[in-house]
Amino acid sequence: DGGITQSPKYLFRKEGQNVTLSCEQNLNHDAMYWYRQDPGQGLRLIYYSQIVNDFQKGDIAEGYSVSREKKESFPLTVTSAQKNPTAFYLCASSLQWITNEKLFFGSGTQLSVL
Amino acid sequence: GENVEQHPSTLSVQEGDSAVIKCTYSDSASNYFPWYKQELGKRPQLIIDIRSNVGEKKDQRIAVTLNKTAKHFSLHITETQPEDSAVYFCAASPGGGNKLTFGTGTQLKVEL
Repeated sequence: DGGITQSPKYLFRKEGQNVTLSCEQNLNHDAMYWYRQDPGQGLRLIYYSQIVNDFQKGDIAEGYSVSREKKESFPLTVTSAQKNPTAFYLCASSLQWITNEKLFFGSGTQLSVL
Repeated sequence: GENVEQHPSTLSVQEGDSAVIKCTYSDSASNYFPWYKQELGKRPQLIIDIRSNVGEKKDQRIAVTLNKTAKHFSLHITETQPEDSAVYFCAASPGGGNKLTFGTGTQLKVEL
């Protein structure tokens, strides 16, 4: 497995704490995405980035923030405003931000609240 | 926005039987429909996709059909094998970018 790496694999958040999930890709892809996966709810888009220095809100952006200062990196911060952060978080990338592009996923981060 | 419904949520079949998973979408502008497979503990991977100008696409034991009029598409797996056991997600994209709306997933179990 290579290409897109997420860390850590497991993360615990205390009440009122912000935590940051890392996502790095060496595929030279322009577009990157963050999805949240909850049991029985499929994958829901949090944020996406079409190109470096750009990012857009997805369907469930409240309580999250991102940055895209480097092409290969797209970290996600789960803020204290996210009241139900426990979930499995998947980062993905695609060559370009155009329809029909295959998504390449990372191996995910499981976030839990202490 | 787009809404994708997927059925069934769980599916058990005997090895060698066929499996069918169905999805419906709401946005008539959607024109790209991929299927992703997620094995236990692994990352989702694209297994097949179909575009709105095509009614059916096959890749060995896997096929996808699309009915634009009814706004539904289906995944067909023939001669199922234990390694087909996984969660399968359908998705739809309205074009103008790579924003996918996923279904809720189907847990397929192939029993020996």
